[in-house]
Amino acid sequence: QVQLQESGPGLVRPSGTLSLTCAVSGDSVSGTNYWTWVRQPPGKGLEWIGEVYHSGSATYNPSLRGRVGISVDKTNNQFSLIMTSVTAADTAIYYCARIIVGASRGFDHWGQGILVTVSS
Amino acid sequence: SYELIQPPSVSVSPGQTASITCSGNGLGDKYVCWYQQKPGQSPVLVIYQDARRPSGIPERFSGSNSGNTATLTISGTQAMDEADYFCQAWDSGTAIFGGGTRLTVL
Repeated sequence: QVQLQESGPGLVRPSGTLSLTCAVSGDSVSGTNYWTWVRQPPGKGLEWIGEVYHSGSATYNPSLRGRVGISVDKTNNQFSLIMTSVTAADTAIYYCARIIVGASRGFDHWGQGILVTVSS
Repeated sequence: SYELIQPPSVSVSPGQTASITCSGNGLGDKYVCWYQQKPGQSPVLVIYQDARRPSGIPERFSGSNSGNTATLTISGTQAMDEADYFCQAWDSGTAIFGGGTRLTVL
């Protein structure tokens, strides 16, 4: 079955760079699906960060554009998120997920999430 | 920017039908997905393409979408259905989530 696993530092300093990786098993990031990052501040709702295709083409939430980058590593079957100039407002659980191929493009498989705290 | 509006909370008695709405301008022209999230867990896709259920999702979950409102309906609600529910759609290449609805099964 498809599984996704986030990894990376749980604590990032203000103005620093957040860097996370999502390892995929049971599917190939080189396939027909897009891959995505979603975050959720503690006790709040979900916010889409962006998506990437195996070609390297990425699309981002306009509210975060300029601070985020998503890339794919086909060799290691994983994809990554980088977010620069972080503040306390970026403290959240970060999820990676797979996007369904098709018209509705729902997110059908999610990682367990990783809590990233921005604090000095 | 595009917004999806959900009621913050909905309550239902066990065995009854729960309806959770999601409103957005021209939402009926877009495909809507619904996610269930229980405390401390990742979201789970329960409805996609307005009304389709992924494998493993009980038949009591159904969806509809018309006009400016999409609705998630849970028939014969069970205690295990108590969770937060989020609607989601795409607008201009951006995924938009509703603010979420907490379903309480009293």
